[in-house]
Amino acid sequence: QVQLVQSGAEVKKPGASVKVSCKASGYSFTSHDINWVRQATGQGLEWMGWMNPTIGNTGYAQKFRGRVTMTRDTSISTAYMELSRLTSDDTAVYYCTRVGGSSWPSAEYLQHWGQGSLVTVSS
Amino acid sequence: DIQMTQAPSSLSASVGDRVTITCRASQPISTYLNWYQQKPGKAPNLLIYAASSLQSGVPSRFSGSGSETDFTLTISSLQPDDFATYYCQQSYNSRTFGQGTKLEI
Repeated sequence: QVQLVQSGAEVKKPGASVKVSCKASGYSFTSHDINWVRQATGQGLEWMGWMNPTIGNTGYAQKFRGRVTMTRDTSISTAYMELSRLTSDDTAVYYCTRVGGSSWPSAEYLQHWGQGSLVTVSS
Repeated sequence: DIQMTQAPSSLSASVGDRVTITCRASQPISTYLNWYQQKPGKAPNLLIYAASSLQSGVPSRFSGSGSETDFTLTISSLQPDDFATYYCQQSYNSRTFGQGTKLEI
């Protein structure tokens, strides 16, 4: 079955960067887009961007452009999300999530989710 | 960016009630609209895709409708397991989530 296993919790200082990993299994890693979504404590879901693992092209939400980078290592079926210039507002659980399929409508929804990675930004 | 506005933000209901949550898009999005359920400490779970298609394994008491700018999620008869937070999400242009609707007992 599809599994997305994320890296563990991180504590970072303001101004630092964080890189969260997402290891995929149970399917062909390059066949479906990976998205990243975050959720601050007690707050709603916030979409950050997507990546096509086949060729590595990406699309980022306007809010995060210039600060987020999504990459992958196909040899180990792992996606990464790096966020730089962290502030306390970036304290959140970060989820990687895979779309349902490669064509309409399954390419539009987020079906498989990692367990989440808590990133805490504190001085 | 397309903004998604859900109403209400929170809702109190009882087991057996019929509940409707609305989601409005800031511009037409055809049926590029999905609904998710999230319970505390868990990742979201897909309920409805393409505005009205029920995801496999989701109970039939959940249904979705709408197109373009106005959408609804209906739970026909609330069960104890349904008390959670619900989010709509558009994928017409990038992706955006609504702010969520917390369904409480």
